[in-house]
Amino acid sequence: EDKVVQSPLSLVVHEGDTVTLNCSYEVTNFRSLLWYKQEKKAPTFLFMLTSSGIEKKSGRLSSILDKKELFSILNITATQTGDSAVYLCAVYDNYGQNFVFGPGTRLSVLP
Amino acid sequence: DAGVIQSPRHEVTEMGQEVTLRCKPISGHDYLFWYRQTMMRGLELLIYFNNNVPIDDSGMPEDRFSAKMPNASFSTLKIQPSEPRDSAVYFCASSFVGGGGEQYFGPGTRLTVT
Repeated sequence: EDKVVQSPLSLVVHEGDTVTLNCSYEVTNFRSLLWYKQEKKAPTFLFMLTSSGIEKKSGRLSSILDKKELFSILNITATQTGDSAVYLCAVYDNYGQNFVFGPGTRLSVLP
Repeated sequence: DAGVIQSPRHEVTEMGQEVTLRCKPISGHDYLFWYRQTMMRGLELLIYFNNNVPIDDSGMPEDRFSAKMPNASFSTLKIQPSEPRDSAVYFCASSFVGGGGEQYFGPGTRLTVT
């Protein structure tokens, strides 16, 4: 059965800290891994990763995929209160043609 | 483009009533997904369509749930009869280039069944 695990499930940091969020997965036929940020509304897209070792970067956020070890990390440097959200990891399984979402990491950034 | 449009944004109904949620995907997207999100279970995929055809409905909880996509610009998710445990936020999302590509989510419909 396809599975996506995220850790930690919850994290509280102070502004300026750097955080690393983890996502590990087990799927039959991996195609892509996506990161989303969800505040109070719908998830918004951050990154899509398909190849190992290639870092995707957007401002203070970056992400990388390791297809051998079956995990991805999402880094946020110099965190701000606006980064407070739930960060979701989703993996697309080519075999089942299905997205599987992890439970999310709830990040709280204190001023 | 206005993005994925969902209606209503909020729905409060009594147990046993029929509920219909609506979604308009982004024009040109060939995949449409219906999700349900609760605190307990997180985000769950209910069903998705490719070119208006249901591909996988294994996530639909039970026969009370049904979804249709009569054309490329409209889909409905119906619950009949509704139950309190159906209370959740229901998201519709659409994507292009098949599965594996970025999904654009609608704002969601918050359903409360009393």
